[in-house]
Amino acid sequence: RKEVEQDPGPFNVPEGATVAFNCTYSNSASQSFFWYRQDCRKEPKLLMSVYSSGNEDGRFTAQLNRASQYISLLIRDSKLSDSATYLCVVNIRDDKIIFGKGTRLHILP
Amino acid sequence: DTGVSQDPRHKITKRGQNVTFRCDPISEHNRLYWYRQTLGQGPEFLTYFQNEAQLEKSRLLSDRFSAERPKGSFSTLEIQRTEQGDSAMYLCASSVQGYGYTFGSGTRLTVV
Repeated sequence: RKEVEQDPGPFNVPEGATVAFNCTYSNSASQSFFWYRQDCRKEPKLLMSVYSSGNEDGRFTAQLNRASQYISLLIRDSKLSDSATYLCVVNIRDDKIIFGKGTRLHILP
Repeated sequence: DTGVSQDPRHKITKRGQNVTFRCDPISEHNRLYWYRQTLGQGPEFLTYFQNEAQLEKSRLLSDRFSAERPKGSFSTLEIQRTEQGDSAMYLCASSVQGYGYTFGSGTRLTVV
């Protein structure tokens, strides 16, 4: 089983819709979790950290389920500018982060 | 610019040649990481340093790859006898004790 797994998509979603991604991780000792956004041919950039209690940043909501070992990202009222690849990232120990393969999102006008 | 800098941005080389990339991390970050990313994949961990010590190397890092961080500041990644399969984006990131990961813009390597 891979350390971090994501549905690669693509998710084709009309502008204004709500879209959700899940990601599963294999190591129950994983300590911290993040969602990164990556635009085409650019470096990954931190979108948000994921906390056990769930957290929200504007239109974005992230949740963590330790029992089932998955994290989720919800995007409400999607914008054209949300089109990107969303990378699920897990910090397994206090040293390196492991990336999923990413989920491609296309927001359609 | 106080972010992570990578040089060069693009490199085209002939198969069999050696290439070297440089990464300058954020100055107060003690950890430096190298990742490789191919099309349609997420970044794959290669190696990381804490100050000048190389603490972990991935199995992806074959004998042709070597990384150094001689003074605990900038780092170099060298690939010897390049192969077409080495074509990828090489990303550098830095952090403070595993927090605040910041990525550079990457070096895109094309082996022809």
